[in-house]
Amino acid sequence: EPEVTQTPSHQVTQMGQEVILRCVPISNHLYFYWYRQILGQKVEFLVSFYNNEISEKSEIFDDQFSVERPDGSNFTLKIRSTKLEDSAMYFCASSTPGLAGVSSYEQYFGPGTRLTVT
Amino acid sequence: DQQVKQNSPSLSVQEGRISILNCDYTNSMFDYFLWYKKYPAEGPTFLISISSIKDKNEDGRFTVFLNKSAKHLSLHIVPSQPGDSAVYFCAASATGANNLFFGTGTRLTVIP
Repeated sequence: EPEVTQTPSHQVTQMGQEVILRCVPISNHLYFYWYRQILGQKVEFLVSFYNNEISEKSEIFDDQFSVERPDGSNFTLKIRSTKLEDSAMYFCASSTPGLAGVSSYEQYFGPGTRLTVT
Repeated sequence: DQQVKQNSPSLSVQEGRISILNCDYTNSMFDYFLWYKKYPAEGPTFLISISSIKDKNEDGRFTVFLNKSAKHLSLHIVPSQPGDSAVYFCAASATGANNLFFGTGTRLTVIP
């Protein structure tokens, strides 16, 4: 069964450093997402990406964050200058086109990358 | 931002009995609802969904009920199995939006 994969599974970085989290979405999916979950809190939406551009982003997704689809398979999240409060599980998700070109609501998640900022 | 709420952080059920997980929402624009299951060290796994045009959707042992007037949905698992032990998240979305709004999750423990 196709699945979303994410690397690395755990990333430790020092405050102020740049990190890139990588994701390989399911191959026939066209919508891509990043979510995060701070320990003990709910899963929060960061950004959605379609047709090589950001389609929606949350207040969390500020100028420190960027996303890219550098080739036909990878989808990356970059945090330019990490802060302690960026420590969280970061989940990538993907979905197929739904009716009338809108993203399908069923999003399929990867296993996550645990980011620890020290 | 508490648009989706799961007021029970945990639930314990005997194997073979029914598990009922509840979820409330406040945003009347939500028209699609999903349940995800999450094991430790894994991402959320899609379980079942329901559109606001329906009040019930069933898939094997899992049934989701939607009460739009009460802005409430529930997930029924029957019979419950030990492998169902996980954290269950309710999520909601609105037409035209790409993002899912998640609840805080309910940890289900099915006791053998």
